[in-house]
Amino acid sequence: AQKITQTQPGMFVQEKEAVTLDCTYDTSDPSYGLFWYKQPSSGEMIFLIYQGSYDQQNATEGRYSLNFQKARKSANLVISASQLGDSAMYFCAMRRSVGGGNKLTFGTGTQLKVEL
Amino acid sequence: SAVISQKPSRDICQRGTSLTIQCQVDSQVTMMFWYRQQPGQSLTLIATANQGSEATYESGFVIDKFPISRPNLTFSTLTVSNMSPEDSSIYLCSAARGANEKLFFGSGTQLSVL
Repeated sequence: AQKITQTQPGMFVQEKEAVTLDCTYDTSDPSYGLFWYKQPSSGEMIFLIYQGSYDQQNATEGRYSLNFQKARKSANLVISASQLGDSAMYFCAMRRSVGGGNKLTFGTGTQLKVEL
Repeated sequence: SAVISQKPSRDICQRGTSLTIQCQVDSQVTMMFWYRQQPGQSLTLIATANQGSEATYESGFVIDKFPISRPNLTFSTLTVSNMSPEDSSIYLCSAARGANEKLFFGSGTQLSVL
């Protein structure tokens, strides 16, 4: 069975600083995908970044980067130059690439608050 | 990316009634899913909406309670039947163009049952 663990229920960061949101996962599948989503207070789920288990390089999307450490089974999200609009709930999720049918298993989320 | 429209965005319903949530994607997609997010919780997959056939439900979810339709490759509905306060949640539609494509979400339906 797959499991995603996000150990930080809440995080604070000052505007313009970088912040790392932790995510560890557990799977016996050789092939899988890792996602990060942002959920603002409005409730929508916004796709941020994706990392495939066989990708050689860490994924980056603008101010978002994924620190993928396969041996440690971690996929931490790094947000650089935080902005007030980054305040939201952040979810890490994993998909089985073989036979997964694009079903995602989600972590419990981290509430990020960006302060002036 | 796919643009996914979901409606209603929120509703307040009486116990024992039913609510149908609609999900419209701006392009044809292979896969559509329905998730539930209970207050303060993470997302749980309810079912995979299969085009032209019965939905595939996850453990703990049944068709009588959450009937799903998917008449074509761009549209799906989820009905929450015989509602109780425990059904108060955000319901989210999601879609992907293929099995290994990125999964995008609609804006969600905030449901409160009195």
